[in-house]
Amino acid sequence: KNEVEQSPQNLTAQEGEFITINCSYSVGISALHWLQQHPGGGIVSLFMLSSGKKKHGRLIATINIQEKHSSLHITASHPRDSAVYICAVLPLTQGGSEKLVFGKGTKLTVNP
Amino acid sequence: EPEVTQTPSHQVTQMGQEVILRCVPISNHLYFYWYRQILGQKVEFLVSFYNNEISEKSEIFDDQFSVERPDGSNFTLKIRSTKLEDSAMYFCASSDNRLNTEAFFGQGTRLTVV
Repeated sequence: KNEVEQSPQNLTAQEGEFITINCSYSVGISALHWLQQHPGGGIVSLFMLSSGKKKHGRLIATINIQEKHSSLHITASHPRDSAVYICAVLPLTQGGSEKLVFGKGTKLTVNP
Repeated sequence: EPEVTQTPSHQVTQMGQEVILRCVPISNHLYFYWYRQILGQKVEFLVSFYNNEISEKSEIFDDQFSVERPDGSNFTLKIRSTKLEDSAMYFCASSDNRLNTEAFFGQGTRLTVV
């Protein structure tokens, strides 16, 4: 059974701090998604990774396929970054699966 | 920027009633998905849809649920006879090449069954 574990569950930071959120999973995957869920509930896709590293603005996502681990980094954090960050993986199966498996999310609060 | 649109944003329904949740995916996307998130819990996959048929579904997606793309633009989720435990946020998503590329999510429909 594929489990997706995120840490920490909750994170409070001061504006300007460097943030790291971690995601570990237990089976082989074909892709990993980082998502942002706003307080109103809407979900925004941040990254899709299958290897290496991606950067978008102040956000950086990395993945280590061998170690089954991914990290999401936020540089120079800002109160508007406050949200729940969700890791979701696409398990590698014969024939391909579209069944994204989600972590519980990390609730980030950035204080001014 | 293209976006996935869901209506309504909030629906309250009586237990046993049928509900239809609507989604307009991004126009050139071919793969469509429904997810749900019960309050305080993680997001769960319900169903994927491609080429006018279900390509994969979860154990949650029982005979009470159905999906349809009635007119080439809308993508709907129908719950035939709602139960209290169907209360959740329902998200629609679409992508242009399964989930090996970026998926675009709608803002969600909050369904409350009373």
